[in-house]
Amino acid sequence: GEDVEQSLFLSVREGDSSVINCTYTDSSSTYLYWYKQEPGAGLQLLTYIFSNMDMKQDQRLTVLLNKKDKHLSLRIADTQTGDSAIYFCAESIMNTDKLIFGTGTRLQVFP
Amino acid sequence: EAGVAQSPRYKIIEKRQSVAFWCNPISGHATLYWYQQILGQGPKLLIQFQNNGVVDDSQLPKDRFSAERLKGVDSTLKIQPAKLEDSAVYLCASSLYPGPPGTLHFGNGTRLTVT
Repeated sequence: GEDVEQSLFLSVREGDSSVINCTYTDSSSTYLYWYKQEPGAGLQLLTYIFSNMDMKQDQRLTVLLNKKDKHLSLRIADTQTGDSAIYFCAESIMNTDKLIFGTGTRLQVFP
Repeated sequence: EAGVAQSPRYKIIEKRQSVAFWCNPISGHATLYWYQQILGQGPKLLIQFQNNGVVDDSQLPKDRFSAERLKGVDSTLKIQPAKLEDSAVYLCASSLYPGPPGTLHFGNGTRLTVT
């Protein structure tokens, strides 16, 4: 079945880069997504990448996609304390609106 | 633009009681979703509506969960009777149709505790 896997925790120093990794299973996914969840809040779409792209950059965010290995990563440059949150990778199933979310990676940024 | 509104914010009930959650999506968003997020896990889709019709309810425990979206706008999700394992955050989301698949706007959720 469909499965999206992420590491559970990541701790970085303020100003460093953060890299959050994800592996997915549905090779037919046309889009892959990164969502951010702050404490007590819902999920917020950060960015998404179309499957025919290898990389997408949006200000401090860089998404890398390796379709062969079904591996997605999110790099946050110059990580700030406000970036502390849980980051979810998600894939769309059979190009529908149905998203399968990973377990989330909790990013902690310390001064 | 106003976001997705959900109420209540928190709810504590005893097992076997019933509970209902309410969601008001972003104006103009035809698609509405209910997700269940158990602590430490990613959200899991319970049900998806397109206007007032059900698109996908394959993961909804229909013996105890029900949902409706009258008039294609607001939606309610009900649990009756609740079990301990229903303790979770229930997230409502909406999206434009058509639009890039998966670009969902989430509410802040209702945290349910079943004791």
